[in-house]
Formats: sequence, C-alpha cells, structure tokens
Amino acid sequence: DTEVTQTPKHLVMGMTNKKSLKCEQHMGHRAMYWYKQKAKKPPELMFVYSYEKLSINESVPSRFSPECPNSSLLNLHLHALQPEDSALYLCASSHGGISSGANVLTFGAGSRLTVL
Amino acid sequence: QQPVQSPQAVILREGEDAVINCSSSKALYSVHWYRQKHGEAPVFLMILLKGGEQKGHEKISASFNEKKQQSSLYLTASQLSYSGTYFCGTEGWGSARQLTFGSGTQLTVLP
Repeated sequence: DTEVTQTPKHLVMGMTNKKSLKCEQHMGHRAMYWYKQKAKKPPELMFVYSYEKLSINESVPSRFSPECPNSSLLNLHLHALQPEDSALYLCASSHGGISSGANVLTFGAGSRLTVL
Repeated sequence: QQPVQSPQAVILREGEDAVINCSSSKALYSVHWYRQKHGEAPVFLMILLKGGEQKGHEKISASFNEKKQQSSLYLTASQLSYSGTYFCGTEGWGSARQLTFGSGTQLTVLP
C-alpha cells in the first residue's frame, strides 16, 4: 500500500461548526504532515508529527488542532474557522523522522475545505 | 525562507524543451522537485542531495549546484503529460529538516 488516504474529499462548514479532517497511511512512515494550499500557491507547512510527537507547529492559529492517535493516523480538528481558512488541506507522510533529512513526501489527494 | 522559482509560467509545444530554476539564499541539504496537476496532489519527481548532483527521470532531469544554492529542472522533448505546476522544495541544515516550497512554475504543453 503506497497511498495516503484523506477524508473527506470535500467539506463545507459554517464558522461555528466543529469538524475533523482525517489522514491514514500504511507505509510504515514515521513522519506525517499537514499542509495548507491556496489556489495557485505552493503548499504551506502547518504541522509535523515525527514518531507520533508534534515536532513542528508553524504558528498555526489555535482554531486548527492536530492529533496523531497512532503512527498510521493523523487528524486535523477544526473549530470556529474563518472564510479565509478555505483551502485545500494536504496530508503527507515520509519514511524517516523529521530530523533524518531528505524526507520524500507522499501526499494524499487532499480535503477541499470551504468555510461559509 | 521560500526558494525563488523562475519562470512563473511557460508554454511549450510538444517536443520542445524547458528549464525551471530554483534558488535559495540559505545553505541547502537537499532539493526536491514535485509536479502537481490541476485538482491533484503533488507528486514527487526527484531529490538531489550532493553539490553538483544530477539525476534523471525519463526525459526529466535535474542538477544541483551546492555552491550557488541553485537547482534546475530540465524537461526535454516535452509531452502533453508534462503539463502541471512544478514546485521545488528546499531543505536546510539543522535538527528539524522540513521542506519549504517555491512559488511554483506552471508548465503548459500544447499539441
């Protein structure tokens, strides 16, 4: 299995809703990532989990809350989002931990989020 | 710091060649190249680790000049399937090595 699976593919939510994005990989990868991508822009790193520990938080607002229940799963909990948070949210994984370097990323297809 | 990519966009005819450049102001451990087709996830193309390294993937190859902190992606005899947005990702030295992506180059190959 060489895939990163993300659900849901599309999500529409109001500013008062609470929702979650889910990501799963079964490649035995030890680092998992959340990226945010706006139209015609590069992916921007949000969070990195390395060996199930939060290693990098790129000053992301607290309305985004990551969770790594185990080495195969990564969640992104969403609460009180703003319309400007509408974007494609990409999950990725890599074989080594964040300190090992040269980490080739395998991306999921993304969850397209619209905040009304 | 985000690496600088150029050009922002390029339009080719099938069979033509293109070069995409990526430069950084910081010392680099590695350079990655990814391609993203419209509505799809980025897909890894290749990684370059050593100064002066060159790698190839079908008719797509790349070089990495460590001294200049620059990398170039070469697409030869382009095919329709090469269309998409190409991102370089750079990785610096340090304890936590995460990729920072360049702004992207939109490549369109016309028949």
